[in-house]
Parts: sequence; structure tokens; C-alpha cells
Amino acid sequence: NAGVTQTPKFQVLKTGQSMTLQCAQDMNHNSMYWYRQDPGMGLRLIYYSASEGTTDKGEVPNGYNVSRLNKREFSLRLESAAPSQTSVYFCASSEAGVTGELFFGEGSRLTVL
Amino acid sequence: TQLLEQSPQFLSIQEGENLTVYCNSSSVFSSLQWYRQEPGEGPVLLVTVVTGGEVKKLKRLTFQFGDARKDSSLHITAAQPGDTGLYLCAGRTGGSYIPTFGRGTSLIVHP
Repeated sequence: NAGVTQTPKFQVLKTGQSMTLQCAQDMNHNSMYWYRQDPGMGLRLIYYSASEGTTDKGEVPNGYNVSRLNKREFSLRLESAAPSQTSVYFCASSEAGVTGELFFGEGSRLTVL
Repeated sequence: TQLLEQSPQFLSIQEGENLTVYCNSSSVFSSLQWYRQEPGEGPVLLVTVVTGGEVKKLKRLTFQFGDARKDSSLHITAAQPGDTGLYLCAGRTGGSYIPTFGRGTSLIVHP
């Protein structure tokens, strides 16, 4: 059982380049999330998806777009990367509800030069 | 403004010591979770608390949810090097299922 799988694990981009982070979960969860983690900042929500076909902005959505391709997959796209987007990105999934456990991927470390 | 304040931000202790980390807010939470994150990995859930005053124990870890459901603490007894990691609290307010994370407490336990 793979849980939540993210690709790529590492990526270096130049300013202005675009890229897509892929995420897939095999737990049949309805809800999926993208977070970024920066030193001393904890996890900040970029976008989330309550169910297939819906997406909503989180705390820090500027510069990102998402696609909920189907129930399993939730991708994050950087259209024109900026150095401020250098971070570690985590995808997570959960059942809905106020006690739902979030299951995280291993993270994608992105550096924008 | 950070919804969840965690303290201390950093903690470096010797094996065998006890420690407590805190998660505080001015908001009332419908549930609060604690996660532990090891270097190079994603956070993993330790516990979920939902009832004011609730205390849960997980081996050497004791979690408490404040009576007013605005704060929580994590106490570790006789810390071990394997406890090293980033401890994150995450709370849900109102009817929202979206959790908000604190900035975390980075714990290092030296052998």
C-alpha cells in the first residue's frame, strides 16, 4: 500500500520556468491538499480539493494552479517559477470530517534559481 | 497572524529528560491533532483530541486538550534519541475539515 506518492522528489528550476508536481493517493480519500513548508513557518496550505472536480484556494495560492484530475490525482503547477517558491512541497489526503487524519507524501524539494 | 502558536520553537535535551511542548490559540477548536515529522519525510499523525480536558497517552507521550479547547500540550517522559523530530499541532475550527498547522517545535534528543 503506497499511500501518497509525490513526484519528483527533487527539482531545480530557473526563474520563469514552469513545472508540475504530481500527487497520487491510493486510499480512496475524497480530500486532497497541497502544502508548502519553509524553515520556521510550519505547513502552509496552498490549495485543497474537497472532492473530485472541486478545488479551493488556501492560505498562499498566488503563483500556483492545481488540477484534480480524478479521485486519485491532484497536481500542482507553477506557471512561472520565482525564487520565493523555493520550498518543500507536501501533498496530503484525508477523509472529510473534523477528525480526519492527514496522510502525507514524502515531499518534493524545489529550488528556483 | 498565526492561528496556532507553538512553543518552544526549538528544544535540545539529553536522553532521559522530560519535556513539554505547547500549542496555543485564541480560537476554539473542534479537534486538534499532533503530528511528528522526521527529516526528509512527511508528517505522521500521533493523536487526535476532540473533547475539552481530554488526556490521551501513547507510551511515553501524554497529550492534553485544554478545557476550553483553545490549547493543547504534549509531554514526553524520559525522552529518547528516537523522539527527535519536528512536532506540529494542527487544529480545525468551526465545521471546517481543513486543518491549520502551527509552526512546530523542533526537538533534538542527544544520547
